[in-house]
Amino acid sequence: ETGVTQSPTHLIKTRGQQVTLRCSSQSGHNTVSWYQQALGQGPQFIFQYYREEENGRGNFPPRFSGLQFPNYSSELNVNALELDDSALYLCASSLTIAAASSTDTQYFGPGTRLTVL
Amino acid sequence: AQSVTQLDSQVPVFEEAPVELRCNYSSSVSVYLFWYVQYPNQGLQLLLKYLSGSTLVKGINGFEAEFNKSQTSFHLRKPSVHISDTAEYFCAVTFTGGGNKLTFGTGTQLKVEL
Repeated sequence: ETGVTQSPTHLIKTRGQQVTLRCSSQSGHNTVSWYQQALGQGPQFIFQYYREEENGRGNFPPRFSGLQFPNYSSELNVNALELDDSALYLCASSLTIAAASSTDTQYFGPGTRLTVL
Repeated sequence: AQSVTQLDSQVPVFEEAPVELRCNYSSSVSVYLFWYVQYPNQGLQLLLKYLSGSTLVKGINGFEAEFNKSQTSFHLRKPSVHISDTAEYFCAVTFTGGGNKLTFGTGTQLKVEL
């Protein structure tokens, strides 16, 4: 069983640009969540996809968007990058019984470190 | 809304000494509680979780945590730490019916010294 992988490992962008981060979930996992972890902070929930549909969103603007694909991969897209978007972006996958389930273990990837200049 | 407070940003401890990392939560509904560990330049790994039943939960690497509903706490303990336990530890919650959307605390840096 392979773990959760993310690409790229590091990324440097300039303000105003757009970025796409990728995640490959564990095989069979139907749910993927994305988190933003600023330096010295705990991860903040961005959004979650369950069976390829958005299943909840945190306090992030619409320029943060995502997709989940049938092959257990997913994307996080951020438009019009701002300096404050510099952070570690983590994806986590889980096998969820139902969209409202709150008890399933999430398996995290190593993250993508995004720097916005 | 739910929130998690980790009272200590850093905890230094000598090797083989016991350690307790504190976590308190606030919620108007029932919660489920998690502890994750993050080693440098890595993602988060689940140490343990409390869903229901016995309030003392045992996890990996010799860690355990106790759920205290009256104190709204979920402190993490280890009787004897090792150098390899040096890492960032995060307490997190989800709430009943809210989906697997973790709300994290700000983390506690555990530094084990010789």
